[in-house]
Amino acid sequence: NAGVTQTPKFQVLKTGQSMTLQCAQDMNHNSMYWYRQDPGMGLRLIYYSASEGTTDKGEVPNGYNVSRLNKREFSLRLESAAPSQTSVYFCASSEKGGGNEKLFFGSGTQLSVL
Amino acid sequence: EDQVTQSPEALRLQEGESSSLNCSYTVSGLRGLFWYRQDPGKGPEFLFTLYSAGEEKEKERLKATLTKKESFLHITAPKPEDSATYLCAVQAWGTYKYIFGTGTRLKVLA
Repeated sequence: NAGVTQTPKFQVLKTGQSMTLQCAQDMNHNSMYWYRQDPGMGLRLIYYSASEGTTDKGEVPNGYNVSRLNKREFSLRLESAAPSQTSVYFCASSEKGGGNEKLFFGSGTQLSVL
Repeated sequence: EDQVTQSPEALRLQEGESSSLNCSYTVSGLRGLFWYRQDPGKGPEFLFTLYSAGEEKEKERLKATLTKKESFLHITAPKPEDSATYLCAVQAWGTYKYIFGTGTRLKVLA
């Protein structure tokens, strides 16, 4: 019953460093999402992948890149971290991706950029 | 612009004291409205989907209702384990994007 697994759970970076957040789901879902959650802002979509091999920008994509490695895995990369990217990051998946579906979330990565 | 506003931001209840959380929304054609529960340090967990005005759904002490402008999450006789942040999200027709509110932090005191 793993569901959506994210690694790492915590990370501290210095400004300008790069890192990749990993996400994997074992539910055979087609669609995967990356969100960030900031106090007073709600969850905001960074990138979306409707299916293996496709990705689309969300609401706040600047400073991020993604890779849908296969159906299970969807990674988020920060090429040059900035303090504004300090946030909690959530990966999510949904079965079909056609919309109007419940999302399954991972437990999050708390990222601090100093 | 599609928008979701949740109120109150925070709510403290005594165990057994029923109340309601509000989710007001503006969206260009509602495809679905979603309620999630989020515990500290965890990701949101799905509770309900509502599709059209007048629809209601229940799960244990929780009941979600929907009108054309807002949704309510009614909590009947809450227990301390109901303490969490409750998130509302909407999706419009023609998009895969979900618009989330900022949530209501609920604390139920024993």
